[in-house]
Amino acid sequence: LAKTTQPISMDSYEGQEVNITCSHNNIATNDYITWYQQFPSQGPRFIIQGYKTKVTNEVASLFIPADRKSSTLSLPRVSLSDTAVYYCLVGFGRRQLTFGSGTQLTVLP
Amino acid sequence: EPEVTQTPSHQVTQMGQEVILRCVPISNHLYFYWYRQILGQKVEFLVSFYNNEISEKSEIFDDQFSVERPDGSNFTLKIRSTKLEDSAMYFCAGQSRDNYGYTFGSGTRLTVV
Repeated sequence: LAKTTQPISMDSYEGQEVNITCSHNNIATNDYITWYQQFPSQGPRFIIQGYKTKVTNEVASLFIPADRKSSTLSLPRVSLSDTAVYYCLVGFGRRQLTFGSGTQLTVLP
Repeated sequence: EPEVTQTPSHQVTQMGQEVILRCVPISNHLYFYWYRQILGQKVEFLVSFYNNEISEKSEIFDDQFSVERPDGSNFTLKIRSTKLEDSAMYFCAGQSRDNYGYTFGSGTRLTVV
């Protein structure tokens, strides 16, 4: 399973765009990149998934460079309710997910 | 938006007792999982389940743990003889055939005293 590295914590202010970068140098050809969000005492929530280039949905964008050794989750105009832990995971298919420590994003007023 | 439902939300049990944690997956999900998260620690994989059998299990999932989907609806995790170190949030998750993203339930907080 590809190992991921992401910042332990980040602070931002309401209304700002937040970019969280994850490195996954040994990503395999078949691996997808998936981001989850977790609030305290709740289950992780799927945010976005991509394979290459850029993916956008109603809550976030995911930027993946051509070499796929890193990815960046972009959250536009964050609010206080976006304060959570964000996990970057790399894998394929139905295999188990290996969660790291994630990035604790704190949005300040 | 469809949800994965877990019951109970909180269970307190005495050490050595059996507990059953229940999950109702989303109807089109085919792949099912249990994860746990000890307070302040990482989310850890326990077991995956497909076509009424275990696909993968971790070292945590020892003989004290079992899973089943007896009626094609509920997906259960049983811990036969709970230990203090089993205290954690337990999350059920599911996947559909077409999407590699998991949908997690809101969890059961198990407290073993």
